[in-house]
Amino acid sequence: DSGVTQTPKHLITATGQRVTLRCSPRSGDLSVYWYQQSLDQGLQFLIQYYNGEERAKGNILERFSAQQFPDLHSELNLSSLELGDSALYFCASSERGSSYNSPLHFGNGTRLTVT
Amino acid sequence: AQSVTQLGSHVSVSEGALVLLRCNYSSSVPPYLFWYVQYPNQGLQLLLKYTTGATLVKGINGFEAEFKKSETSFHLTKPSAHMSDAAEYFCAVSDTGSARQLTFGSGTQLTVLP
Repeated sequence: DSGVTQTPKHLITATGQRVTLRCSPRSGDLSVYWYQQSLDQGLQFLIQYYNGEERAKGNILERFSAQQFPDLHSELNLSSLELGDSALYFCASSERGSSYNSPLHFGNGTRLTVT
Repeated sequence: AQSVTQLGSHVSVSEGALVLLRCNYSSSVPPYLFWYVQYPNQGLQLLLKYTTGATLVKGINGFEAEFKKSETSFHLTKPSAHMSDAAEYFCAVSDTGSARQLTFGSGTQLTVLP
């Protein structure tokens, strides 16, 4: 058990809809990362937050947004969903903001299916 | 930008045989390299990491990897495969920007045959 909690585990929704994925980091971890894993794109970094502030952006679409709250949990909002957004979305956390000296701990992911 | 190439999307070995999973990276600066493992229906788990210092890195579950700068490689090995090693393995590199995030390879699915 990594200590990172993601909810829900599965989500099925229709095209055009909006969903929110939630992540609670390990106790004491200040940094949260969101990744998307799909068959065609592999594991893609989306966005990182550190102590409530956006730290880095990766291949995140404009239809997607995220935030980290004062209690350090994070939410990833996906809107105007398309079939291609179907994927496994992972949250990871680390103690500090730099991943090289502070390894990432991954949650078990949220599997999103857009129909 | 950093990048990682994992050679072989699928590798099969017999139980007890050597495991060798290949990873090559591209970097214009000293990289930080990682191997992660993903078991079915689970998130990624860190196996080992190279930051600085000794080029042979030992990780969990008997795995090790050697950083070879001249070959820009960071191959993962295990002397004797076990059935429980069947999983997907990801090599990753971190960039050196002020905000660091991992760039993952496409993954190698390891199958262990009885």
